[in-house]
Amino acid sequence: RKEVEQDPGPFNVPEGATVAFNCTYSNSASQSFFWYRQDCRKEPKLLMSVYSSGNEDGRFTAQLNRASQYISLLIRDSKLSDSATYLCAVKGDSWGKFQFGAGTQVVVTP
Amino acid sequence: EAQVTQNPRYLITVTGKKLTVTCSQNMNHEYMSWYRQDPGLGLRQIYYSMNVEVTDKGDVPEGYKVSRKEKRNFPLILESPSPNQTSLYFCASSPRLAGEPKQYFGPGTRLTVT
Repeated sequence: RKEVEQDPGPFNVPEGATVAFNCTYSNSASQSFFWYRQDCRKEPKLLMSVYSSGNEDGRFTAQLNRASQYISLLIRDSKLSDSATYLCAVKGDSWGKFQFGAGTQVVVTP
Repeated sequence: EAQVTQNPRYLITVTGKKLTVTCSQNMNHEYMSWYRQDPGLGLRQIYYSMNVEVTDKGDVPEGYKVSRKEKRNFPLILESPSPNQTSLYFCASSPRLAGEPKQYFGPGTRLTVT
């Protein structure tokens, strides 16, 4: 079983709609959580960190559920430019070690 | 401009021919890391470095070496490349791991080993 798992999608979303997807992790001692965005095999770029209490950044909302060991990302009012692959990243309890999910592809259609 | 650079960006080589992929950052970051990305497997960590002369294995270190002699550089060395090392490689750096370890990625190196 992979340590970090994501639904690969694609999630096909009409422009203006809301889409949400999760990322599960297996190490209960994981300390930090992140969402990255990756376009067409270019470099991943940090979208947002995920805080225990949940956090928003504009149209993006991230949540952490430690009991069930997953994080989520919700995108409101989807734009065509939101089409990308979203990677979750988990920093474990070992210094310096990170695990990434394989990514969830989101396709926003006009 | 703050950035992470990698060279070369594209490389086709043959099995067994030693190669080095360079990574350099100009942000004075302590932490640097190498990943490979393969379809369906996501980013997998190869090696990381907490600071100069401090390196450690990630999840897939076999067949790779690294060194960290200077803070800004973190080269990835493939002593005897094999076809299963064909992949997209990313270098990343982060200012520190305490608090929020936000990683900044280089543009990637696409390696093909025949």
